[in-house]
Amino acid sequence: NAGVTQTPKFRVLKTGQSMTLLCAQDMNHEYMYWYRQDPGMGLRLIHYSVGEGTTAKGEVPDGYNVSRLKKQNFLLGLESAAPSQTSVYFCASSYTGSSEAFFGQGTRLTVV
Amino acid sequence: AQSVTQLGSHVSVSEGALVLLRCNYSSSVPPYLFWYVQYPNQGLQLLLKYTTGATLVKGINGFEAEFKKSETSFHLTKPSAHMSDAAEYFCAVSSNSGYSTLTFGKGTMLLVSP
Repeated sequence: NAGVTQTPKFRVLKTGQSMTLLCAQDMNHEYMYWYRQDPGMGLRLIHYSVGEGTTAKGEVPDGYNVSRLKKQNFLLGLESAAPSQTSVYFCASSYTGSSEAFFGQGTRLTVV
Repeated sequence: AQSVTQLGSHVSVSEGALVLLRCNYSSSVPPYLFWYVQYPNQGLQLLLKYTTGATLVKGINGFEAEFKKSETSFHLTKPSAHMSDAAEYFCAVSSNSGYSTLTFGKGTMLLVSP
C-alpha cells in the first residue's frame, strides 16, 4: 500500500539550476497539494490541484510551477532555484478539499 | 478566509502528565478541524478530525479534542503522556465550501521527559 510517494527524497541544487519533484498517489484522489515546511512557519501551500488537468495557486506560489497531466501524478517545478527555496517539500492528496489529506515522506531540498 | 493559531511553539510535559495543546481557528464558514502529528523526518499523519456532529472527537494513541464554537477552539488533549508522544503537532482547518484546502497552524513541538 504505497499511498503518496515523493521522489527524490534529498536534493542539493546550485542557485539558478532547475529541477522537478514528482508526487504519485495510488488512492484515486481528486485533490493533490504541494506544501513547503520551514522551521517556525508550519506548512504553507504552494500550489494545488482539484482534478486532472487543473492547477491553482496557494499561499506561496512564486518561483514554482506545477502540472497535473495524469490524475495520479502532481509535479512541482523550480525553474531557477534560489537559496530561499531551501526547504522540506511535502506532497499530499485527498478525496475532497475537506477530507483527510495523506502525506508523502517529504523531499529535503538545499539550494546553495 | 481561514486561519489557525497554535499557542506555544514548544510544550514540555513529564511522562504520565496531562498533555494540552492549544488551537484556535478563524473561519467565515463552518469549519472542519484536524490534528496531525509529525515524527522526525517523516510526513504528517492524521490524529483526529471534526466535521459535524459530536463535538468531542477521539483519535489514535489516546488523543482527543473538543470543538468549542463559542471559543473558536479545538484543543488537543491526552490524559497521560508517553515518551513516544514526543513529536510536532499541527492543527489545521478547512471547510465544506467550494474548493476548500487545508490551512495549517505553525505547529507545537511536544517534549516528554522521563
